[in-house]
Amino acid sequence: SQTIHQWPATLVQPVGSPLSLECTVEGTSNPNLYWYRQAAGRGLQLLFYSVGIGQISSEVPQNLSASRPQDRQFILSSKKLLLSDSGFYLCAWSSGSADEQFFGPGTRLTVL
Amino acid sequence: GQNIDQPTEMTATEGAIVQINCTYQTSGFNGLFWYQQHAGEAPTFLSYNVLDGLEEKGRFSSFLSRSKGYSYLLLKELQMKDSASYLCAVSRRSSARQLTFGSGTQLTVLP
Repeated sequence: SQTIHQWPATLVQPVGSPLSLECTVEGTSNPNLYWYRQAAGRGLQLLFYSVGIGQISSEVPQNLSASRPQDRQFILSSKKLLLSDSGFYLCAWSSGSADEQFFGPGTRLTVL
Repeated sequence: GQNIDQPTEMTATEGAIVQINCTYQTSGFNGLFWYQQHAGEAPTFLSYNVLDGLEEKGRFSSFLSRSKGYSYLLLKELQMKDSASYLCAVSRRSSARQLTFGSGTQLTVLP
């Protein structure tokens, strides 16, 4: 069966510090991968998606970036965090032939 | 562009029936999802509608009208554990099958 992992689960970082969030998927190959951010009490905003290694598409302009160094690994990064980067970050995957997305447990980021 | 509207909050009583509506305007519509999200947790899949009509799955049913850009999620025999946020999401016809989410409806089930 497929599983998706995210770490860390929670993170508190000062403004201006770098960020690296990691997501890995097990039990499937060549998945579509997604990064979402959810502000408190809000819906999910798609940040990045990837259909293959090294292929990254950005949905919204921001100071975040994403990379996919391996087939089942998706990384969200920032060089300098802003207060507005606080939120709940969710990674998700889907198979290439289906629409349903499966979410990881999420990382709660607080920028102080 | 994409536009998805759903009520912000709803309240219902244990054992009752509640209907959560979702309207959407989108290009390249492929299908509509409903997800459930408990506070502090990841969303979990409830239903997926591609064709018009009603899909029933236990206590939960979902309806879609593509011509009207309208969907609803129907929850029967409400239980306290159904208190959660319910997210409507539209999938687009694309290689990445991106989802666009509504802001969610916070359902509170009262005893």
